[in-house]
Amino acid sequence: DAGITQSPRHKVTETGTPVTLRCHQTENHRYMYWYRQDPGHGLRLIHYSYGVKDTDKGEVSDGYSVSRSKTEDFLLTLESATSSQTSVYFCAISESQAFSGANVLTFGAGSRLTVL
Amino acid sequence: GDSVTQMEGPVTLSEEAFLTINCTYTATGYPSLFWYVQYPGEGLQLLLKATKADDKGSNKGFEATYRKETTSFHLEKGSVQVSDSAVYFCALLTYNTDKLIFGTGTRLQVFP
Repeated sequence: DAGITQSPRHKVTETGTPVTLRCHQTENHRYMYWYRQDPGHGLRLIHYSYGVKDTDKGEVSDGYSVSRSKTEDFLLTLESATSSQTSVYFCAISESQAFSGANVLTFGAGSRLTVL
Repeated sequence: GDSVTQMEGPVTLSEEAFLTINCTYTATGYPSLFWYVQYPGEGLQLLLKATKADDKGSNKGFEATYRKETTSFHLEKGSVQVSDSAVYFCALLTYNTDKLIFGTGTRLQVFP
């Protein structure tokens, strides 16, 4: 997975509990992203980061928060998990900015979260 | 807003058949277009891309041509293999954003 590690890879939790997913990269890329993948929806962007302590919301950010205190780590937190957040979560990284015309995302292997 | 529409799956083919997976888009400006592939149990991998009109992206026998007049980026392969079985995602990136917009994905199943 080209220097991206997601943890945990699988987690089962109960409604109302906090959950944190971790994305770790060894590529020193500036941009990091969290997506969720659901049947019929493809991948939808939750949050992204364009540098340490610089983050912004994606299209489905409600119920999620993120933090990036180091270049290599991007954490996704569900403060109080709900069953609608059962999904597969993918982290991605990219080196260049979009308007360079060369922006390519590299994805992690995914974290499957089940909220009972 | 910007969006990507892919054909519904699954697409089921016999080995060595011709493949087309349709993708159309709606976007302001001049987007870059991508195809990503997801093999079972893995994350997405970039398959090919095109950054301007009439560009053809190609990789591993797959091709897609950026058609501005029809706002399309259809994926084709002349002879599929069982190992091509995967989910294929079309995506676009507009000029003034740092975010990819994905289609819903099309599952391809190739049988011997």
